[in-house]
Amino acid sequence: EAQVTQNPRYLITVTGKKLTVTCSQNMNHEYMSWYRQDPGLGLRQIYYSMNVEVTDKGDVPEGYKVSRKEKRNFPLILESPSPNQTSLYFCASSPHRPSYEQYFGPGTRLTVT
Amino acid sequence: QQQVKQSPQSLIVQKGGISIINCAYENTAFDYFPWYQQFPGKGPALLIAIRPDVSEKKEGRFTISFNKSAKQFSLHIMDSQPGDSATYFCAVCSLGNTPLVFGKGTRLSVIA
Repeated sequence: EAQVTQNPRYLITVTGKKLTVTCSQNMNHEYMSWYRQDPGLGLRQIYYSMNVEVTDKGDVPEGYKVSRKEKRNFPLILESPSPNQTSLYFCASSPHRPSYEQYFGPGTRLTVT
Repeated sequence: QQQVKQSPQSLIVQKGGISIINCAYENTAFDYFPWYQQFPGKGPALLIAIRPDVSEKKEGRFTISFNKSAKQFSLHIMDSQPGDSATYFCAVCSLGNTPLVFGKGTRLSVIA
């Protein structure tokens, strides 16, 4: 089944404790992206990647890092999480470049206390 | 800056009624205008999309109306059903290197 998977789905952590949210797609897509969803703010892009080893900042990159060492994986790293990073995170992919059709993962709900 | 403005923020519609969600965008350099549907606990999924050279696109009970001169597009859900209850996001897309930009979302509740 073609899909985008994210792990973990739920995470509660404390301020300052480094964490990684993994994202993997099995559709051989070139483009991958991370969004955060907050009430009243919609979906905001954090980082995106056009292909392996090519990443760029989105609208809200502060406090996040990403890497794209393999085509299928695009992990999101929070080096020192803070409470304002409590949010619902989505990974997405599309075949080539930022298409209008993106495939989203199921989401990761992160709480930072 | 906000390139796409979506309204209303929330909407309650009776079963069988028409749901209408509106979006306005700020420049003309977009190639596609998609709508995404998100059910609770799930990621958004593409529902329907329209190109700017088309004024209307219909897929089943879902229709996009596009007004290029007014820089507006809207989603109409005919014969709304409780199963349509979800959050809907409009978006604007430039094919190329510009990321997709989403509206802030509309939470639709269809009540029996």
